[in-house]
Amino acid sequence: RKEVEQDPGPFNVPEGATVAFNCTYSNSASQSFFWYRQDCRKEPKLLMSVYSSGNEDGRFTAQLNRASQYISLLIRDSKLSDSATYLCVVLDSGYSTLTFGKGTMLLVSP
Amino acid sequence: EAQVTQNPRYLITVTGKKLTVTCSQNMNHEYMSWYRQDPGLGLRQIYYSMNVEVTDKGDVPEGYKVSRKEKRNFPLILESPSPNQTSLYFCASSPAASGRDTQYFGPGTRLTVL
Repeated sequence: RKEVEQDPGPFNVPEGATVAFNCTYSNSASQSFFWYRQDCRKEPKLLMSVYSSGNEDGRFTAQLNRASQYISLLIRDSKLSDSATYLCVVLDSGYSTLTFGKGTMLLVSP
Repeated sequence: EAQVTQNPRYLITVTGKKLTVTCSQNMNHEYMSWYRQDPGLGLRQIYYSMNVEVTDKGDVPEGYKVSRKEKRNFPLILESPSPNQTSLYFCASSPAASGRDTQYFGPGTRLTVL
């Protein structure tokens, strides 16, 4: 059974804080990895893809460790607008089905 | 405007009354899929389609049907809805004929089955 596990939330942080989310996946043959963001009652939207070499987009950094089957997302200098649920997503080895983690909620307060 | 549209956005129905939720995308995407989202369970894939006339089961296909007669449309059919199908449903599309590209989600359909 494919599983994607995420840190349970919510994470409550003040503005300006650095916060890290973790995700593990069970299928070692998984091919692609993503972080999506979902605002309350809205559709998910891609935040960033995750590459083996690690990648950064402004305040966001994603890392992948294939040996440990572990994915992370680091958010620096948190903004109020970062408050959302962050979903870890894994694509299977057949490039066909996507498995979503249950999500981790982030609440950034003034 | 490039988008994925779903209709209806909200639906309350009764057990056993067949319904269809439509999904349409105007981006000429190859891959389309349906998900349901439930509290504590996250998003789960119901069905996906890599191309016209090609559909396959996701993780939770029981009680659902889909069709892909044309590239832009991917309707979700509940032949005999039951209360355990009460959920928030999302349709998504993606450029490539696989799941490796960005998934573009529709706004969601909130279904209640009484």
